[in-house]
Amino acid sequence: SQELEQSPQSLIVQEGKNLTINCTSSKTLYGLYWYKQKYGEGLIFLMMLQKGGEEKSHEKITAKLDEKKQQSSLHITASQPSHAGIYLCGADTSGTYKYIFGTGTRLKVLA
Amino acid sequence: KAGVTQTPRYLIKTRGQQVTLSCSPISGHRSVSWYQQTPGQGLQFLFEYFSETQRNKGNFPGRFSGRQFSNSRSEMNVSTLELGDSALYLCASSLKGGAGEQYFGPGTRLTVT
Repeated sequence: SQELEQSPQSLIVQEGKNLTINCTSSKTLYGLYWYKQKYGEGLIFLMMLQKGGEEKSHEKITAKLDEKKQQSSLHITASQPSHAGIYLCGADTSGTYKYIFGTGTRLKVLA
Repeated sequence: KAGVTQTPRYLIKTRGQQVTLSCSPISGHRSVSWYQQTPGQGLQFLFEYFSETQRNKGNFPGRFSGRQFSNSRSEMNVSTLELGDSALYLCASSLKGGAGEQYFGPGTRLTVT
């Protein structure tokens, strides 16, 4: 089983709708990162969360870290076609900076 | 500032051959990490180099090796290629490595036939 589970695996939403992607770890989180990837391309850094309860926002994307639940959520408000892509969470679960990544959530936004 | 560059972008090799991929990090970044991405296994950590030393290693066989030069450029080598090595290979650079954001290159898509 994956150490980092993302849900849902895929998501299709109408433009303007809000959506949430979850990332749950089976181990202690020493740092949680969110990235976006266009198909077949490199990853673009979105946000880094390190402390329990931490919440960060960038434009219409907000990410929160629940340290107790070992979970992070990524929320997109008023989605746009430009938000389409694959969202990946990455984390250090060993404290040794060996990063693991979730399986990704494929987001499609219908105009 | 120029981003992370990877060469070549696409590569087709035959089973049993070896391949070398190159990664040039963002100027000033001393840490370079390599990842393999496949549809089945997702994104998996290969290794990290910092100031020419391998600092971290993932769970890949010894056929996968790398090195980093004094200018922080890094190369990854895969020997005795197998069909299962077909993947998108991504490198990422960061200022210090460790906790912190990584900047990814566009990747090298390797196809092994």
